[in-house]
Amino acid sequence: DTAVSQTPKYLVTQMGNDKSIKCEQNLGHDTMYWYKQDSKKFLKIMFSYNNKELIINETVPNRFSPKSPDKAHLNLHINSLELGDSAVYFCASSSRDSPEKETQYFGPGTRLLVL
Amino acid sequence: AQSVTQLDSQVPVFEEAPVELRCNYSSSVSVYLFWYVQYPNQGLQLLLKYLSGSTLVKGINGFEAEFNKSQTSFHLRKPSVHISDTAEYFCAVSEAAGNKLTFGGGTRVLVKP
Repeated sequence: DTAVSQTPKYLVTQMGNDKSIKCEQNLGHDTMYWYKQDSKKFLKIMFSYNNKELIINETVPNRFSPKSPDKAHLNLHINSLELGDSAVYFCASSSRDSPEKETQYFGPGTRLLVL
Repeated sequence: AQSVTQLDSQVPVFEEAPVELRCNYSSSVSVYLFWYVQYPNQGLQLLLKYLSGSTLVKGINGFEAEFNKSQTSFHLRKPSVHISDTAEYFCAVSEAAGNKLTFGGGTRVLVKP
């Protein structure tokens, strides 16, 4: 009965590789987000999609490409991984139509380590 | 642009003692305010939120927070902490539903026996 799930939970890879992180929500929400948490625990928005349409793109390098095949999924593909990409990536979702439209629900995070 | 400042990066506290975590924000418009908790190696869990109305909001696990518009603050309190409250606490603001959350830098609470 997981609300927002992410795969994989851990990802260790070499510099220069391409990798993807997947996110799925079963809450019926229409808006999904990717946040990055750096080594100092600082959290920052990367992208947001509403009904599969990109609505927020916070000056993230174009090596990062989000893709939303449907409202319940938002995947993050990263090309040519760099050491500085090591972080925890959190997916979140919310619904503009619900009484709790202001609240974002977070997934468990994907811990990416680039060697 | 909005910003959030959490004044304390770490707060050590003894078990059963009270704790207050400070949060100040800056925004040119009205905001929604949130506190999230992150337990070690886990995701973010919503503790409580302020949207409108009563300035004192109660959340889960015995936490409460008070919105002070004149001081642009949203401090989090718990009258008696448990060992299990050891975690990172994040204050966040949003200017509208569906908009991004802007987070503070986090406050690490370490509860000692």
